[in-house]
Amino acid sequence: DTAVSQTPKYLVTQMGNDKSIKCEQNLGHDTMYWYKQDSKKFLKIMFSYNNKELIINETVPNRFSPKSPDKAHLNLHINSLELGDSAVYFCASSQDRQANLTFGAGSRLTVL
Amino acid sequence: GDSVTQMEGPVTLSEEAFLTINCTYTATGYPSLFWYVQYPGEGLQLLLKATKADDKGSNKGFEATYRKETTSFHLEKGSVQVSDSAVYFCALSLSSNDYKLSFGAGTTVTVRA
Repeated sequence: DTAVSQTPKYLVTQMGNDKSIKCEQNLGHDTMYWYKQDSKKFLKIMFSYNNKELIINETVPNRFSPKSPDKAHLNLHINSLELGDSAVYFCASSQDRQANLTFGAGSRLTVL
Repeated sequence: GDSVTQMEGPVTLSEEAFLTINCTYTATGYPSLFWYVQYPGEGLQLLLKATKADDKGSNKGFEATYRKETTSFHLEKGSVQVSDSAVYFCALSLSSNDYKLSFGAGTTVTVRA
């Protein structure tokens, strides 16, 4: 069983569209994260939830909205997609707020 | 702010060569230090960690020692294999910053047979 699974793995869409990426973890972890990795492999945290409560909200356009229906799920919705949103988005989880993260395989978003 | 700086890549080596990837950090407290590895097409995996000065983290033949005096956490492996080809990320976290991980820019390592 995949510990942290995200869907879809690949997403190609037009500018201006709205899209969602879903993430689920079966590790029983309390904390989940979204990271963005750009074309130069630079990783930047976007959001973090602990037991469904938003605890990290970095400087991210408000077109990005995370939603955590329960502690095993953290979805990312993006409105009005722009070219600069093209990246690989990684979901991750950890127990409490410890930094031993388990990452998903990534979702590659391409905005045309 | 709290940050890590790691040597720029790409690094290309022959099998059985010695690998070192330098990582230095800047932090306002006493961070925990990590090395994560990203194999092609996959997410990051924790490779090793150290939580206090002079601790040595080790895994899969890789080692790194937390050096407070030089604010460094260099990654080493004595004899690399083709399967070690990956991107390696140094990272730190601080309890005072909610354990938020700050990653370095990543170093791409390619090992040739």
